[in-house]
Amino acid sequence: QQQVKQSPQSLIVQKGGIPIINCAYENTAFDYFPWYQQFPGKGPALLIAIRPDVSEKKEGRFTISFNKSAKQFSLHIMDSQPGDSATYFCAAKRAGANNLFFGTGTRLTVIP
Amino acid sequence: GAVVSQHPSRVICKSGTSVKIECRSLDFQATTMFWYRQFPKQSLMLMATSNEGSKATYEQGVEKDKFLINHASLTLSTLTVTSAHPEDSSFYICSAGSGGHYGYTFGSGTRLTVV
Repeated sequence: QQQVKQSPQSLIVQKGGIPIINCAYENTAFDYFPWYQQFPGKGPALLIAIRPDVSEKKEGRFTISFNKSAKQFSLHIMDSQPGDSATYFCAAKRAGANNLFFGTGTRLTVIP
Repeated sequence: GAVVSQHPSRVICKSGTSVKIECRSLDFQATTMFWYRQFPKQSLMLMATSNEGSKATYEQGVEKDKFLINHASLTLSTLTVTSAHPEDSSFYICSAGSGGHYGYTFGSGTRLTVV
């Protein structure tokens, strides 16, 4: 059972575009929602994370939008660059637990 | 920032042999470490959770006798793939966290190929 559903599976945008990746969850016990970036042959790296008590968080060109009532959250990448081409994973963690539940990943390609 | 070092990055072994993968937290103490397996173009699948000084907790379907995990210190966890077979070929990734630290840090992964 996939605890966190992620879409789209792949995404191609032009340089400067704003790719948006969406995730949805059902478990209202989740209290931490990170996004990870993974390049081929490397481990995931934390990009940005949000708690359910805020609706938006920005760090540099990366923004998370969080809709608690809809149980959805999304990642926006402003002014995307070819170097942003990677696979992005959303994840969620339950309050009091340690492990993360990952989405299925989105392969982003930014065309120069 | 928090750094997790994972070695080796690549290993090729013969079928039937065992392989040990190390995961070290370099600048923090990791009370909990996680081991994941990732197939090509797929998400991370949690294999087991290890807490320093205690036995690892394995996810359903993961053979604990095949994937031996040791977390003997606050900075080192090891995953040993015993009697490896070609179907064990995969990308293995560890991550580490400390109590109250939500930003789990991942290692760079180990590409295991069993021939």
